[in-house]
Amino acid sequence: GAGVSQSPRYKVAKRGQDVALRCDPISGHVSLFWYQQALGQGPEFLTYFQNEAQLDKSGLPSDRFFAERPEGSVSTLKIQRTQQEDSAVYLCASSLVVDTQYFGPGTRLTVL
Amino acid sequence: AQKVTQAQTEISVVEKEDVTLDCVYETRDTTYYLFWYKQPPSGELVFLIRRNSFDEQNEISGRYSWNFQKSTSSFNFTITASQVVDSAVYFCALSNQGGKLIFGQGTELSVKP
Repeated sequence: GAGVSQSPRYKVAKRGQDVALRCDPISGHVSLFWYQQALGQGPEFLTYFQNEAQLDKSGLPSDRFFAERPEGSVSTLKIQRTQQEDSAVYLCASSLVVDTQYFGPGTRLTVL
Repeated sequence: AQKVTQAQTEISVVEKEDVTLDCVYETRDTTYYLFWYKQPPSGELVFLIRRNSFDEQNEISGRYSWNFQKSTSSFNFTITASQVVDSAVYFCALSNQGGKLIFGQGTELSVKP
């Protein structure tokens, strides 16, 4: 079956612009996670959904970051008023409730 | 607090050599899971293995093997007879019962022909 998909794969934004990153999890996966990976670093947790409920958003770096999963499937990570330090790869992963996380290809965000 | 340390930033070997990637973790939980992921140049994280804290049996899968030792809080990964296609960044990660993953900094493995 299809894996986790993310779009767009690459996004270039001017500082101050809003961006929206989309994640399509594996069908039937209840849990969905967002991570941020800076160049040369390991991924860092941003937020976690179980179905449509956002159970943990402790990793969101500022109130400019917002995530939603309104119908318990597709999720969108929105970054408002982007800054240069937001440049990173944003990874989405999905899993069954207590199970291995499978990752999508990521969205590489560059803020100029 | 939970933490994963991969002390080796970069490793370079010649094809057919064996190589071991180290991973040391910290957690106060009694139930937890350990993972290894591979990130090739294409960028996608590929799942390799998952172990739970109650299963210390070592595991072998083809040329890959994993050594889990709770006494030293380590979960090391060995590639036997390395190949050029093994070149990638390898991440060790920790989670508690299906929650967020805590990743190490990664080890970049370069296998030269």
